[in-house]
Amino acid sequence: DAGVIQSPRHEVTEMGQEVTLRCKPISGHDYLFWYRQTMMRGLELLIYFNNNVPIDDSGMPEDRFSAKMPNASFSTLKIQPSEPRDSAVYFCASSGGTNEKLFFGSGTQLSVL
Amino acid sequence: DAKTTQPPSMDCAEGRAANLPCNHSTISGNEYVYWYRQIHSQGPQYIIHGLKNNETNEMASLIITEDRKSSTLILPHATLRDTAVYYCIVRSYGNNRLAFGKGNQVVVIP
Repeated sequence: DAGVIQSPRHEVTEMGQEVTLRCKPISGHDYLFWYRQTMMRGLELLIYFNNNVPIDDSGMPEDRFSAKMPNASFSTLKIQPSEPRDSAVYFCASSGGTNEKLFFGSGTQLSVL
Repeated sequence: DAKTTQPPSMDCAEGRAANLPCNHSTISGNEYVYWYRQIHSQGPQYIIHGLKNNETNEMASLIITEDRKSSTLILPHATLRDTAVYYCIVRSYGNNRLAFGKGNQVVVIP
């Protein structure tokens, strides 16, 4: 398996634009997680899904952020409109069950100018 | 979940064993100790986890004290590629919210 695949690897956009980050989890994994990492706040859990259903979105910073998982092999994290303070590395991770270890993707480096 | 305390940074000599400490004095009976590491510009990578007993795998060994209030991750023969931020995380059974703290920046020195 290729592991968790995220795209794009880097994204540079201007304030106010819509940004969509993509994630393909490991096949057979039924949990998917979105994390954000900044120098100030470290790694923060934004939202996680189980069997394509959002379970806990308490980490989503505000209404500008939304996440979807239309099927078991694809998830998106959308920011609309984007702001400079959204600049961070966004990681997607998947796991094969509760208490199972997480496998992380390589992340998307987002810069909002 | 219980909070963990790690040194912010430490150096280790290449080829020697690296012993990474973690305090989790408020850990409760159903909470596991997990270790992840993050090499620069990569996503975190799982290393090992345990509940009470010491654990060993191909990457490392985990030593948990009898009172479970602290643990040590041991990298048996540190290499330059082991330079990373190491996260000690306490996680209760069934809790999918893995909370990463600031971690321990470990630098392996030639």
